[in-house]
Amino acid sequence: AQSVAQPEDQVNVAEGNPLTVKCTYSVSGNPYLFWYVQYPNRGLQFLLKYITGDNLVKGSYGFEAEFNKSQTSFHLKKPSALVSDSALYFCAVRPPYGGATNKLIFGTGTLLAVQP
Amino acid sequence: DAMVIQNPRYQVTQFGKPVTLSCSQTLNHNVMYWYQQKSSQAPKLLFHYYDKDFNNEADTPDNFQSRRPNTSFCFLDIRSPGLGDAAMYLCATTKGTSGSAHEQYFGPGTRLTVT
Repeated sequence: AQSVAQPEDQVNVAEGNPLTVKCTYSVSGNPYLFWYVQYPNRGLQFLLKYITGDNLVKGSYGFEAEFNKSQTSFHLKKPSALVSDSALYFCAVRPPYGGATNKLIFGTGTLLAVQP
Repeated sequence: DAMVIQNPRYQVTQFGKPVTLSCSQTLNHNVMYWYQQKSSQAPKLLFHYYDKDFNNEADTPDNFQSRRPNTSFCFLDIRSPGLGDAAMYLCATTKGTSGSAHEQYFGPGTRLTVT
């Protein structure tokens, strides 16, 4: 079965420190991987995606993610966290043979809390 | 700016009283989705349209219906809301083309309360 796992329900980090939000996937073939962020009472906002090519993907608001095929991971990172980064983060995968509709499989979400 | 709009942002309905949530988009995307999201859980896909083709998820209750009268608009109808249907409902769109992986664009959501 195809799935996405976010092993941490919550990540706490001090402002100015680097942050990592973990994501692993289980998909047949080469997946398309996404990160979204959700602020309270808002919809999801696209941060970045990996389709092919360079394993390090840069996205919005200074975030980046590294695709690691051997570890089937796509961890989200930022060198220096801001209090305003505090939000709910979702990893998602689109199976490579998912057709043209871009249906996503979402992880369970990780709440990032950045302390001042 | 091109965007996905959901109205209303907050909706209160009574148990068993039909309610309709609306979504519109200016992105001219051919795929539109409706998701249900409860208490910071992952969004759960209810159904989606690829152009005019309706695709229901296997576990979506019959109580949930949808209409897409044109490219820009999509509606979610809940025929007899129960207390368990209280949730955030998210609309999203994407450009659906074979062999590509475009991101989905989400609206701000409608928070439904059932009294």
